Amino acid sequence: ELKVEQNPLFLSMQEGKNYTIYCNYSTTSDRLYWYRQDPGKSLESLFVLLSNGAVKQEGRLMASLDTKARLSTLHITAAVHDLSATYFCAVEKKLVFGKGTKLTVNP
Amino acid sequence: DAGITQSPRHKVTETGTPVTLRCHQTENHRYMYWYRQDPGHGLRLIHYSYGVKDTDKGEVSDGYSVSRSKTEDFLLTLESATSSQTSVYFCAISEHADGGEYNEQFFGPGTRLTVL
Repeated sequence: ELKVEQNPLFLSMQEGKNYTIYCNYSTTSDRLYWYRQDPGKSLESLFVLLSNGAVKQEGRLMASLDTKARLSTLHITAAVHDLSATYFCAVEKKLVFGKGTKLTVNP
Repeated sequence: DAGITQSPRHKVTETGTPVTLRCHQTENHRYMYWYRQDPGHGLRLIHYSYGVKDTDKGEVSDGYSVSRSKTEDFLLTLESATSSQTSVYFCAISEHADGGEYNEQFFGPGTRLTVL
């Protein structure tokens, strides 16, 4: 059974700082997805990672995938308040989701 | 929201009553999914559909049934609602499936269901 673990589950950081969210999964997969959810809203697709070594960047967010380590990272560079949200990773098969990381960026 | 609507958006009902949630898409995607979201659990798959009249169970399917009579509509039914089914329900669609090109899913706005 595929299990997906994210850490940390809660992250409070200051504007301008860098940080990384980790997503570990338990069985072989080379497809991983990152989503963002604002409070009371739906999920928005951020990144689709489809192979070992895949790296995608959008603004201050960069996601990478290491299928051998069964690990994906979401790196935040120079955080701004607008990045405050909950971030989920999801792994095929059938998109098993992690529990989410609630990110709060403080001034 | 990639042309996905859910109805109702909010519902309060009583234990033991039947409830049907509707997901409607205008993208003509083949695959549709129902998830529930609960604090501390992330999203969990209830049922999914891989075509008209073709459905299968997900991780937490007990107490739920689904139907898909048209490409654009996927219904989730709680035959006899219980308080443990109080949750936020999300519908999602995808163009491809597991093992295919990729399974990027797009989510509807959600339905908040409260069972008293």
